[in-house]
Amino acid sequence: AQSVTQLDSQVPVFEEAPVELRCNYSSSVSVYLFWYVQYPNQGLQLLLKYLSGSTLVKGINGFEAEFNKSQTSFHLRKPSVHISDTAEYFCAVTPGDNNNDMRFGAGTRLTVKP
Amino acid sequence: SAVISQKPSRDICQRGTSLTIQCQVDSQVTMMFWYRQQPGQSLTLIATANQGSEATYESGFVIDKFPISRPNLTFSTLTVSNMSPEDSSIYLCSVAAFFGQGTRLTVV
Repeated sequence: AQSVTQLDSQVPVFEEAPVELRCNYSSSVSVYLFWYVQYPNQGLQLLLKYLSGSTLVKGINGFEAEFNKSQTSFHLRKPSVHISDTAEYFCAVTPGDNNNDMRFGAGTRLTVKP
Repeated sequence: SAVISQKPSRDICQRGTSLTIQCQVDSQVTMMFWYRQQPGQSLTLIATANQGSEATYESGFVIDKFPISRPNLTFSTLTVSNMSPEDSSIYLCSVAAFFGQGTRLTVV
């Protein structure tokens, strides 16, 4: 079975600073990896996903993530955050075939301060 | 990408009653997934709904409490039965890594 660990429950950062949200996974098979954002009182929005190919994945809103198989990590980064990036971020993993269920990390609360 | 519509978006229900949540997808899909997000928590998979067969439930979730229907390849329902305040959560439908907006349920 797959599992995900998000290493930081809360990340406070000042506006225009860079940020990294950490995610590690465990799996005995190849996986697909995802990052989602959840704004208050809203559903989940897909930021980016890694399925195969280039290990550096670019997503929406200026976010990117790098798949590191040897370190079983998929950290999310943004070079300069905005106040509007304040939200909950979830890392998720699914086995590397189609239409399988997704396992989520506990989430990281990103708070961007002026 | 898939467009997923959930109804209702929110509801306040009396304990002991049941609520049925609907999920409509804009394309035909084999598998649909139902998740629960308790307040301040992450998402937990309730069950996988395959068209033409019984839903597969995760540990801790049972069919009597969360019956699921999957009448065709674009639609599914999740019922939360005999509700208690502990069932207050967001319930989300998912297809192929995409999620509906969720149903915010409050049980009083």
